[in-house]
Amino acid sequence: EIVMTQSPLSLPVTPGEPASISCTSSHSLLHTNAYKYLDWYLQKPGQSPQLLIYLGSNRASGVPDRFSGSGSYTNFTLKISRVEAEDVGVYYCMQALQTPFTFGPGTKVDIK
Amino acid sequence: EVQLVESGGGSVQPGGSLRLSCAASGFIFSNYEMNWVRQAPGKGLEWVSFISSSGVNIFYADSVKGRFTISRDNAKNSLYLQMNSLGADDTATYYCTGRHWDYGVYWGRGTLVTVSS
Repeated sequence: EIVMTQSPLSLPVTPGEPASISCTSSHSLLHTNAYKYLDWYLQKPGQSPQLLIYLGSNRASGVPDRFSGSGSYTNFTLKISRVEAEDVGVYYCMQALQTPFTFGPGTKVDIK
Repeated sequence: EVQLVESGGGSVQPGGSLRLSCAASGFIFSNYEMNWVRQAPGKGLEWVSFISSSGVNIFYADSVKGRFTISRDNAKNSLYLQMNSLGADDTATYYCTGRHWDYGVYWGRGTLVTVSS
């Protein structure tokens, strides 16, 4: 089983400032087809998770361009260029390379 | 508009069974891989089961293997999860998700399953 870890687990942010979350996998998520099987999700309070980034760096439809994903092999990063109040919630990374698909523990983002 | 709507959740006694359904609309269901993901109250996300777009390939988490059965009916744009021998650890909100590798992943709003005597 691929183990996913995230840091930090809690991230107080200031609106207008940048923010960054790291995700590490116990096994490389880079497939031989050159795709990186890593998703990023945001679960806003009281809502179901929503996809932000898939295949490591592809922004999902409707996701603001202040969100970006990068990284490869076992180290990935989600960056928010300028945090907005609506970005609060829990951020999860998930590996989709092999079953069992596994999620990170989540990073709770709130406003300072 | 893309929609995934789960149903079938509720309260059940330990050892009981439930069948969850997920109705899909707004996209070509038969082109999407489908999953069930659950979230225990106040906890993180746990993948439960996967079914390929054709229904040929199926996988389960070890925690549900032998107890849960995933299936789909592409003619009815529907995904199912038959859950047997339920225990307290199965208490969670169950989400269905649909993935297309060109477009991303859709999530439903979830259905709550409570296992309690």
